[in-house]
Amino acid sequence: AQKITQTQPGMFVQEKEAVTLDCTYDTSDPSYGLFWYKQPSSGEMIFLIYQGSYDQQNATEGRYSLNFQKARKSANLVISASQLGDSAMYFCAMREPTGNQFYFGTGTSLTVIP
Amino acid sequence: ETGVTQTPRHLVMGMTNKKSLKCEQHLGHNAMYWYKQSAKKPLELMFVYNFKEQTENNSVPSRFSPECPNSSHLFLHLHTLQPEDSALYLCASSSASISSYNEQFFGPGTRLTVL
Repeated sequence: AQKITQTQPGMFVQEKEAVTLDCTYDTSDPSYGLFWYKQPSSGEMIFLIYQGSYDQQNATEGRYSLNFQKARKSANLVISASQLGDSAMYFCAMREPTGNQFYFGTGTSLTVIP
Repeated sequence: ETGVTQTPRHLVMGMTNKKSLKCEQHLGHNAMYWYKQSAKKPLELMFVYNFKEQTENNSVPSRFSPECPNSSHLFLHLHTLQPEDSALYLCASSSASISSYNEQFFGPGTRLTVL
């Protein structure tokens, strides 16, 4: 079974609007970490935001927030006030404490329209 | 700058060549990773090193040979590659603690083309 599922291969959003990128995960471990990365066309993976499984509040980092719904096993990324520079691939990832392996989703390509 | 560097950034090689990719991290991490990212495909984990010991090898062909001489350096030795090996090769590092926090820091990648 897939550990991380991103069901939106591509998304479009108008500049200055908010957009939600979906991510669901699968784990039986009570302790895990969830991450979002941005990959511009240059190729480098840029860490955006982290959510721990025991965190009571949704993580926020500037214009990025993570809508964490533990019972549904979802960790959607919300980008507010989209900017042209937000156009990129976005990857959801999970880390379990056993071992040092990170599991990545297939990514969502976001295009911000002027 | 994430503290993880990769060289070269671009590499074109023939199928009979031998080349090496280099990754270096200046973050004091003790886990390092090689990923392959082909066009329109998800990230594929290739190798994981914890404290210089290889702990994961996800059925990678033997034409890819990793080397981790110390916690700061990671190499990927390439020989007799195939055109389908053309991809972006990403190196990453993280703390190897048991905590599920500690994100991976990625290098800029090496874009490899095999002719």
